[in-house]
Amino acid sequence: SQTIHQWPATLVQPVGSPLSLECTVEGTSNPNLYWYRQAAGRGLQLLFYSVGIGQISSEVPQNLSASRPQDRQFILSSKKLLLSDSGFYLCAYSSGFGGRTEAFFGQGTRLTVV
Amino acid sequence: AQSVTQLDSQVPVFEEAPVELRCNYSSSVSVYLFWYVQYPNQGLQLLLKYLSGSTLVKGINGFEAEFNKSQTSFHLRKPSVHISDTAEYFCAVTEGNYGQNFVFGPGTRLSVLP
Repeated sequence: SQTIHQWPATLVQPVGSPLSLECTVEGTSNPNLYWYRQAAGRGLQLLFYSVGIGQISSEVPQNLSASRPQDRQFILSSKKLLLSDSGFYLCAYSSGFGGRTEAFFGQGTRLTVV
Repeated sequence: AQSVTQLDSQVPVFEEAPVELRCNYSSSVSVYLFWYVQYPNQGLQLLLKYLSGSTLVKGINGFEAEFNKSQTSFHLRKPSVHISDTAEYFCAVTEGNYGQNFVFGPGTRLSVLP
């Protein structure tokens, strides 16, 4: 069966520190991978998506970056966190093309920048 | 470009009453539509999806939605809600010709009151 793992579940980091959030998918090959951010009381903002290894599309300019070193691994990073980076980060994947598939979400990472 | 509108940011309703959560979308091509539910500090879980065929779609937990192409709507309904339905609900759309991007609405917080 297909599953998605995202860690850590919670993270408290000081301003200016680096960030690395990891997401892995099992049970499917060549998935589309996504990073979303959800600010308090707001909807989901697409940050990055990837259709293949090394192929990253950025939807929002910011101090975050994403990488896909392996087919089923997606990493969200920052060199220096800002207070505004606080939020709930969600990794997701979908399989197939043409939109006829839903996205499956990880359990999320609650990031608090202090 | 795609967009999703959820006009009601909060919907309070008494237990066992019916509820409708509204979703309207904007797209110039054929679309696929989804409703997700999010419980506190968790990822999103798929409630139901419309890909093609019957415009009335039934999902989990007794929810259903109706796709109305002329009104570009995909409203979510449940005839009798339970306390456990208290959560955030998100409507999402992908386009048929380029399905990698999921566009989410801002969400509706459903509060079921005893």
